[in-house]
Amino acid sequence: GQNIDQPTEMTATEGAIVQINCTYQTSGFNGLFWYQQHAGEAPTFLSYNVLDGLEEKGRFSSFLSRSKGYSYLLLKELQMKDSASYLCAGLDSNYQLIWGAGTKLIIKP
Amino acid sequence: GAVVSQHPSWVICKSGTSVKIECRSLDFQATTMFWYRQFPKQSLMLMATSNEGSKATYEQGVEKDKFLINHASLTLSTLTVTSAHPEDSSFYICSAQRERYNEQFFGPGTRLTVL
Repeated sequence: GQNIDQPTEMTATEGAIVQINCTYQTSGFNGLFWYQQHAGEAPTFLSYNVLDGLEEKGRFSSFLSRSKGYSYLLLKELQMKDSASYLCAGLDSNYQLIWGAGTKLIIKP
Repeated sequence: GAVVSQHPSWVICKSGTSVKIECRSLDFQATTMFWYRQFPKQSLMLMATSNEGSKATYEQGVEKDKFLINHASLTLSTLTVTSAHPEDSSFYICSAQRERYNEQFFGPGTRLTVL
């Protein structure tokens, strides 16, 4: 079956760095997405990886290892507004997104 | 670019009535649109996938006669919740996908409350 695993909740301090891990099992693979979702709002796109390696975009970076079925989202210089749920989603061979349950990130001052 | 709108943002209705939710891609043509439902503190659950001009593909466990989806054009898809019941109360989110792009662009969501 297809599955996306990520931690349920993480806590970090303002100004620090946090890494949110995601492991995936999909039928075929056409990439890995990270989305941010604030409470009561729709998800917004953060990153897309289809090749191995690290993609950096400002304070956010995303890493992919296809051989390990593993990805992480790295958030630097955390701000209070980064408190949100972070959704990992794998794109399968049918180009359907398989969603993880999301990681709720709590930022403390 | 790649803006998706949803209307209405929130709706309260009586049990037994029908509610229509519109999803529009404002600045691009969406070959595929997706409808999701999200209950509080849970992940997105895909309800159906619709391609312009063809019937929607529903996920297992989603009643196609209850959740009517119409994808009439490359910029508009509608979801009609027929004979709504309180258990249908949820956050409904659409997303749109451009041809040859993998990314899905999400609408702002519609919060449905059925009394």
